Amino acid sequence: EDQVTQSPEALRLQEGESSSLNCSYTVSGLRGLFWYRQDPGKGPEFLFTLYSAGEEKEKERLKATLTKKESFLHITAPKPEDSATYLCATWNQAGTALIFGKGTTLSVSS
Amino acid sequence: DAGVTQSPTHLIKTRGQQVTLRCSPISGHKSVSWYQQVLGQGPQFIFQYYEKEERGRGNFPDRFSARQFPNYSSELNVNALLLGDSALYLCASSFNERSYEQYFGPGTRLTVT
Repeated sequence: EDQVTQSPEALRLQEGESSSLNCSYTVSGLRGLFWYRQDPGKGPEFLFTLYSAGEEKEKERLKATLTKKESFLHITAPKPEDSATYLCATWNQAGTALIFGKGTTLSVSS
Repeated sequence: DAGVTQSPTHLIKTRGQQVTLRCSPISGHKSVSWYQQVLGQGPQFIFQYYEKEERGRGNFPDRFSARQFPNYSSELNVNALLLGDSALYLCASSFNERSYEQYFGPGTRLTVT
């Protein structure tokens, strides 16, 4: 079964305390691994796409990496404005639907 | 450029009623997908449309239907509303049905009482 699992469900960090979020997937024939940021009550905001193992993408304090069965979102020296739910997703095997994990809710306090 | 737009922003309906949600994709995008997101969960796929044809359907009952218009905008209809249909309904657009990146609108918050 096509599945995406994210951990941890929630993460509390102090400002400047770096950490990583995990996304594991069981879809074969990866057509891309996507990271989104979602603020409460709003639609997901696209962050990154990764297509092959070993690929890395960076944006400000965020860096996404991909292995054959999982992806990591590394957050370096986070700020309170980085607080949000981070979702990862990939296409199902048929290529007809994005499958999302449940997300990791990040809270950064000053 | 304008992103994906959805209307209305919020909606309150009674059990048994019907609702229509609307979505306009990013200019130049021809594919629209609909997702349902309940609190604490990731979005769940409902439909994908491309060039006015249904290209994918998620595990939702027949009370859910959708269509896409010649200008690529889309409507999602839900009949015989249940309390469990209360959720954030998200529309996403992509250039075509094989474009791997989807861009989401702000969503419509539906509350069924």
